[in-house]
Amino acid sequence: DAGITQSPRHKVTETGTPVTLRCHQTENHRYMYWYRQDPGHGLRLIHYSYGVKDTDKGEVSDGYSVSRSKTEDFLLTLESATSSQTSVYFCAIRSSEGTDTQYFGPGTRLTVL
Amino acid sequence: GENVEQHPSTLSVQEGDSAVIKCTYSDSASNYFPWYKQELGKGPQLIIDIRSNVGEKKDQRIAVTLNKTAKHFSLHITETQPEDSAVYFCAASPGTASKLTFGTGTRLQVTL
Repeated sequence: DAGITQSPRHKVTETGTPVTLRCHQTENHRYMYWYRQDPGHGLRLIHYSYGVKDTDKGEVSDGYSVSRSKTEDFLLTLESATSSQTSVYFCAIRSSEGTDTQYFGPGTRLTVL
Repeated sequence: GENVEQHPSTLSVQEGDSAVIKCTYSDSASNYFPWYKQELGKGPQLIIDIRSNVGEKKDQRIAVTLNKTAKHFSLHITETQPEDSAVYFCAASPGTASKLTFGTGTRLQVTL
């Protein structure tokens, strides 16, 4: 798992409530990513970070925000969850500078009712 | 942006046979092509990757080939075993911030 943990691993919430997912890494990697996985779509990039307080949008960023105040933590927030955000969310890290290799965490299954 | 298409969506082979999964990409700037294996309830695991300056790469029973001109790359698994059963994803990256665009996945089933 390249020292990546995600919390919570499962969450059920209601439409309109805020939700924050956490990704934690222990190996001081600079780049971190959030993807969502849905049937028929593979994995799609939501946001990524290239350093503390440095973030950028991915392919499906609408409705999501991120924050990275420490190297080890990358937070994904759904300000007002919708049923279309029901998905499995994966965090990933880029293993080192000069490589494109990404390793993924175990995922968080989010259900929005 | 990049678009990656993956075929087939499902593949069933008998143990010991070979399996081939194919992907095409649209962005000629893409230069990194990883393959991931995902087992039920787990995150994707990198199994092999290739860069655009290489045409083929092999690791034991797994190989990847890349045709830059045609913009397609393929995963080859030989002597398949039941533990190869999983969902496989291809991906492409232009190298910018290493952002990956994934294919939609292939469910491989290896039957006894």
